[in-house]
Amino acid sequence: EAGVTQSPTHLIKTRGQQATLRCSPISGHTSVYWYQQALGLGLQFLLWYDEGEERNRGNFPPRFSGRQFPNYSSELNVNALELEDSALYLCASSLGGFQPQHFGDGTRLSIL
Amino acid sequence: SQQGEEDPQALSIQEGENATMNCSYKTSINNLQWYRQNSGRGLVHLILIRSNEREKHSGRLRVTLDTSKKSSSLLITASRAADTASYFCATDKGYSTLTFGKGTMLLVSP
Repeated sequence: EAGVTQSPTHLIKTRGQQATLRCSPISGHTSVYWYQQALGLGLQFLLWYDEGEERNRGNFPPRFSGRQFPNYSSELNVNALELEDSALYLCASSLGGFQPQHFGDGTRLSIL
Repeated sequence: SQQGEEDPQALSIQEGENATMNCSYKTSINNLQWYRQNSGRGLVHLILIRSNEREKHSGRLRVTLDTSKKSSSLLITASRAADTASYFCATDKGYSTLTFGKGTMLLVSP
């Protein structure tokens, strides 16, 4: 079974630009989660989508947004990029209901 | 905010030795999970222990959970060089979102 896939692997942007990150969950998983892993800050929860709806949001500004499509894939959009947005962005999927989350290899976003 | 705190921050051992990592957390949880991350790649789920469980095994891994002390430990027996990675505990408080600690970096030397 294919795991969680994320694209692109690397993304380089400049301050003020917008970035779009994509995630395909494991087949059959309806929940998709986004996490940010920034140097010195650790792994922080960003967003949770289930059945196309945003279910929970971490402590991030509104310029971090996303959506989940009918096929359960998801996009994370980051507007007005700032230098501190440089991080590894990890997507995970699960069956929901306190089940383990399975992670992709991440998108490394670098802001110049 | 970080819910779990792993201890130690770094651990260096020889192949064949056992490695023990500890995790403490602050609030009530539904379950606690351990993950491994190799060199900035994605996280690999290792084991999930529910709040009503005290011990769980999976291959060379043994996890304990003490909800009265709000702590958990991960034991890797007979470690191998391939176990070199960062290990994270993550708590699920019931909103299907995980709160991670800062991790323990494990180095296993041949």
